[in-house]
Amino acid sequence: AQSVAQPEDQVNVAEGNPLTVKCTYSVSGNPYLFWYVQYPNRGLQFLLKYITGDNLVKGSYGFEAEFNKSQTSFHLKKPSALVSDSALYFCAVRPNTNAGKSTFGDGTTLTVKP
Amino acid sequence: DTGVSQDPRHKITKRGQNVTFRCDPISEHNRLYWYRQTLGQGPEFLTYFQNEAQLEKSRLLSDRFSAERPKGSFSTLEIQRTEQGDSAMYLCASSLLTGGNYEQYFGPGTRLTVT
Repeated sequence: AQSVAQPEDQVNVAEGNPLTVKCTYSVSGNPYLFWYVQYPNRGLQFLLKYITGDNLVKGSYGFEAEFNKSQTSFHLKKPSALVSDSALYFCAVRPNTNAGKSTFGDGTTLTVKP
Repeated sequence: DTGVSQDPRHKITKRGQNVTFRCDPISEHNRLYWYRQTLGQGPEFLTYFQNEAQLEKSRLLSDRFSAERPKGSFSTLEIQRTEQGDSAMYLCASSLLTGGNYEQYFGPGTRLTVT
């Protein structure tokens, strides 16, 4: 069975500082990995994905994530946080097959303080 | 706005009543997913369709839940004999299964409250 762990319920950073939101996963075979963001009273929005190739993937709003196969991790990062980045972030995994089922973590609330 | 719409946005019903939710995916997307989300949890997979075929259904989904996607366009999720434990946000998402486009586009959700 596949699973995702987001070990931190909450991450607090000061504006302008780098941020990291952690994600580890378990899946049979090679993974497809995703980050989604949920702003208050808004639906989930796709941020970025790892499918294959370069382990460092770049996405929307200046976010990036690094796929580490040996550590089964896919941490979300941004060099300089903005107050507007404050939101709920979800990591998701699915196997690299035609199976459509994705498994989501329980989310990490990011708060960026001015 | 992702292009996925859901109706209604909110539904309050009494225990034992049936409810039906609708999802309209992005028009060219061939996959459609239903999830349930409760406070403090991530989206929990319920079922998904490829075109009109329902390919997988969660084992957690009781027989009171049924979903359809006639003609491979919009989808409906029906809950029969609702229970208080069904209170949650029901999310619909769609994706295009070609060219590595595996990301899902989510609708705003339907919040169900069972009293």
